[in-house]
Amino acid sequence: SAVISQKPSRDICQRGTSLTIQCQVDSQVTMMFWYRQQPGQSLTLIATANQGSEATYESGFVIDKFPISRPNLTFSTLTVSNMSPEDSSIYLCSVQQGGTVTIYEQYFGPGTRLTVT
Amino acid sequence: GNSVTQMEGPVTLSEEAFLTINCTYTATGYPSLFWYVQYPGEGLQLLLKATKADDKGSNKGFEATYRKETTSFHLEKGSVQVSDSAVYFCALTAPPSGGSYIPTFGRGTSLIVHP
Repeated sequence: SAVISQKPSRDICQRGTSLTIQCQVDSQVTMMFWYRQQPGQSLTLIATANQGSEATYESGFVIDKFPISRPNLTFSTLTVSNMSPEDSSIYLCSVQQGGTVTIYEQYFGPGTRLTVT
Repeated sequence: GNSVTQMEGPVTLSEEAFLTINCTYTATGYPSLFWYVQYPGEGLQLLLKATKADDKGSNKGFEATYRKETTSFHLEKGSVQVSDSAVYFCALTAPPSGGSYIPTFGRGTSLIVHP
């Protein structure tokens, strides 16, 4: 199983500023995922980040608002740009591992709790 | 497309009560099914999984059986503890449309266990 750490664990930011969230994995992985979890809600996939290529964004999320870097197979960053109170959420980094096709387990970081005032 | 439907919470139980959290799914092909648990202030952790029909996943006293005929994967535990209080997510991964096994998650069901 993969062990994932995220920094910062929480932050309180002013509207109009940006925050970069770091995700570090203890093993090399091909695909890394960024999710948003709003209070009392399920997970919403923001984007998938593969090393060496541009991130793939889900409907409703754009690169200008959520730029992602993936410089190597163990690290990724997500930036939340020009923040507004609606961006207040938990942001989760996740990776996928599995021994055989179709049995892909997701492993999650502890999350970054962002509050925008 | 793929979808997962869970019963709405919160589910509130007394310690040692029997737990069922319903989960049904819609998927193309033959999905793998998962339950994840999120304890307060933490990320999600894999609780159990099943990869084919009639498989039973189990862990920490929790069980779920992959029922293809009813497209269900209900989570059960015979005797819950206060420490089981958490949010439980049902999820699936299915053969890729577009080339990747991105999981589909349910909305989550909050479980509150009172002493």
